[in-house]
Order: sequence, then structure tokens, then C-alpha cells
Amino acid sequence: EVQLVESGGGLVQPGRSMKLSCAASGFTFSNYGMAWVRQAPTKGLEWVATISYDGSSTYYRDSVKGRFTISRDNAKSTLYLQMNSLRSEDTATYYCTKATTVGWFAYWGQGTLVTVSS
Amino acid sequence: DTVLTQSPALAVSPGERVSISCRASEGVNSYMHWYQQKPGQQPKLLIYKASNLASGVPARFSGSGSGTDFTLTIDPVEADDTATYFCQQSWNDLTFGSGTKLEIK
Repeated sequence: EVQLVESGGGLVQPGRSMKLSCAASGFTFSNYGMAWVRQAPTKGLEWVATISYDGSSTYYRDSVKGRFTISRDNAKSTLYLQMNSLRSEDTATYYCTKATTVGWFAYWGQGTLVTVSS
Repeated sequence: DTVLTQSPALAVSPGERVSISCRASEGVNSYMHWYQQKPGQQPKLLIYKASNLASGVPARFSGSGSGTDFTLTIDPVEADDTATYFCQQSWNDLTFGSGTKLEIK
């Protein structure tokens, strides 16, 4: 059974940093691309970033380019999202997803809430 | 960005058939996917590439369409189908619709 378990969320002040983690199990992590998708409170879904199976390629939405970094450790079956210079508009539940090369999100974690506020 | 437009809400009775629409601002070929999100839960993939049923999803769910107009159909609807349904395209970047909240009367 595919399991994705996010951690690292919480309350952070604007301009500060936070790193999210996602522990994966139930599939061969190193064979699959992974992605982060976020959802602001009572809002819709928004793709954030994607990383290829080997970490050689990364993709970001424009609003987080230069501030967020997606990475992975295949030996630990763990996905990361380093978030710097956080803004109030980054407040959301962040979901770790098992992605596909053609762009849908096959499995989702339960999410971790990031609140950016002073 | 490709904008996906969904109706905000629908209400149907158990046993009925419901169609949830998603219209893209430009063609997305068949690269439209559908998710179900129940209150307090993470989204779950239902349909990928317009008409392919995801693993473990009941055959009551089906998808159709190509180009700019797509439909998710549930037939028959059950009480447990109360949820918000999102479409997502992956032909031009990655964007989601705003969701259709389905209420079962």
C-alpha cells in the first residue's frame, strides 16, 4: 500500500524559512517522480513543484521560483520542500504526491499545514 | 495559464445520475484528470487522461471529453459521494479547476 507521510509544518513568521519532509513507502520511491501540491484554507488546489525520479530535473510554479527548492533522498525514500522567504500567501496545507511523467497525481499524503503569520 | 472552469455546486438525490463539467480555456488534448476530496481528507485520483478509471475506483465513476470540454459522471450517486470534485489538466503546465461541491440530498 502506498503511504506518503508529510511532516514539518507549523507556524512561521513572514520572511522566515521552513522545510517540509515526506516519508514514502509501499512503492519503489527511486523509480517515480514526486510533487508538492498545496491548498490554501477553504480554497482550491495549486501545483507547487515537481522533481524527477532521480532528482536531475525540477520544475516550479512561477510564484515560488527562487524561494522554494524541491529535493529528494532516494536512499531514505524521502521528499523535501525547502521554503525560504515565506509570505502570507504561502499559507496552505501542503500535500506530497506521487506524480506521473504525464502529469497527474496518483497518490496523496494527508498533508501538513503551513501558516505564515506574525 | 490554462484556466479550468467548474460549476461551484450541485445537489442530487441518491440513485440519480450526475454529470460534473470542466471547461478549459484552451485545448488540453485528453490530459484531463479528476479528483475527489471529502471533507477533512486529502484528494484522491478518480480518473486520469479523461476516461481512465484509477485503481480501486468504483465503476459508478466515469469520465469523458477531449479538447476543451470534459465531464465526470457518477451513476448511480451514493450518499458517500458527498465531496468536492476537482479537474486538473497537464497539457499546458499543471492547473486545477476551482472544484464542484456535490451535495447528496
